[in-house]
Amino acid sequence: RKEVEQDPGPFNVPEGATVAFNCTYSNSASQSFFWYRQDCRKEPKLLMSVYSSGNEDGRFTAQLNRASQYISLLIRDSKLSDSATYLCVVRRSSGDKLTFGTGTRLAVRP
Amino acid sequence: EADIYQTPRYLVIGTGKKITLECSQTMGHDKMYWYQQDPGMELHLIHYSYGVNSTEKGDLSSESTVSRIRTEHFPLTLESARPSHTSQYLCASSPRQDSGGELFFGEGSRLTVL
Repeated sequence: RKEVEQDPGPFNVPEGATVAFNCTYSNSASQSFFWYRQDCRKEPKLLMSVYSSGNEDGRFTAQLNRASQYISLLIRDSKLSDSATYLCVVRRSSGDKLTFGTGTRLAVRP
Repeated sequence: EADIYQTPRYLVIGTGKKITLECSQTMGHDKMYWYQQDPGMELHLIHYSYGVNSTEKGDLSSESTVSRIRTEHFPLTLESARPSHTSQYLCASSPRQDSGGELFFGEGSRLTVL
C-alpha cells in the first residue's frame, strides 16, 4: 500500500465551481501535512500547510482528520489558473523527508 | 522565485553514456535532494544530503550517485545510462531549520536514454 494515496482525477469543473480533493496516508506517525501544486511540466511548489484545526488561504481551505488519516483541500470559486496537479505531501517529523502522493489533476474550463 | 538551477533541462543520450545532471542553489541551504518523477506518477526521493560531505540514498533505489563537495552544488551522475533511466529528475533544497515543509525545486532535467 502506498504511504500517500490520492485520486488521480482528472477533475473537470467549470469556472466558479467548488471542488474538493481528498488524500489518505497510511503512517499514523505522520506529523506534518502539506499541499503542493505542480503545473504541467513544471516543478512542484508549496501551496499551503495543513494544520490540525484546519486552515484557509483565500479560496483554499485545508483540513486534517487524524483519526481517519485523511487530508482534504477545498477550492472555492475555481479559476482557469487553478488548473494544475495538486500533490498531497506528508512528513513523519520535523526535518524528516517529505513523501509525495501521485497528485490529483484539476482542469477548470471556461 | 527560488534560486535553484538545474542543467541540462533536456538531454537525449545513447545507452551506455555517462551523464551528470547539475544542480546549484544560491540560498545557502544545507539540505538538498534529488527526486525522480515519471509522467503521472509521484515524486520518488533517490538521494539527499544534509550538508557538505553528507549523502544518503533515498526511498527509491537508484543506480545513480551523488556528491556534495560544496554547499551550493549537488550533482547526480549515471555512469552508464540505460533506457530505464528515462525520467524527469528534480533537484530541491531546504534550509537546515524547519522551513514549514517547503522545498524549493529546480525546473527539472528531463532525461531520455535511447
